[in-house]
Amino acid sequence: AQTVTQSQPEMSVQEAETVTLSCTYDTSENNYYLFWYKQPPSRQMILVIRQEAYKQQNATENRFSVNFQKAAKSFSLKISDSQLGDTAMYFCASLSYNTDKLIFGTGTRLQVFP
Amino acid sequence: DADVTQTPRNRITKTGKRIMLECSQTKGHDRMYWYRQDPGLGLRLIYYSFDVKDINKGEISDGYSVSRQAQAKFSLSLESAIPNQTALYFCATSAAENYGYTFGSGTRLTVV
Repeated sequence: AQTVTQSQPEMSVQEAETVTLSCTYDTSENNYYLFWYKQPPSRQMILVIRQEAYKQQNATENRFSVNFQKAAKSFSLKISDSQLGDTAMYFCASLSYNTDKLIFGTGTRLQVFP
Repeated sequence: DADVTQTPRNRITKTGKRIMLECSQTKGHDRMYWYRQDPGLGLRLIYYSFDVKDINKGEISDGYSVSRQAQAKFSLSLESAIPNQTALYFCATSAAENYGYTFGSGTRLTVV
């Protein structure tokens, strides 16, 4: 079974600084994806970044990057140059090619302060 | 128009009432999902459907039922609502070939 663990319920960062959100996962699958989703107060689920497990290179999307450690089953999200608009709930999720079911962690609430 | 539309956006209902949450999509995706979000618990899968004739229970299906009326429509029903079903409900779709999920904007349901 897939599980996803986010051990930081809340975090805060000052505007323009860098913050890292942690995520660990467990799966018996060899082929899977990992995701970070952002949920702002509007409650829309927004895909931030996605990593295919067979790719060793860490994914990046502008100010967002991941540190994917496959052996350790770790998938952290780094947000550089934090902006007020980054204030949101962030969910880590995994998806197995075999099941195509997206499994979520419990989320980290990020507050960006001016 | 949104790719995945959920109605209603917000709903308050009484204990014991039957309620249906509706989801429609214009993505042309075969796969559709219903999730429930609770504070501190993340999103949990209620039901999922890989095509019109294929419906499967997720991890928390008790107290819920679904209907896949067409490729584009997937409804979630609470036969007899109870207060602990108060939550934010999301519908999502995905394409088999790229595992990309698209979410609706959610239905906030309050059972009083």
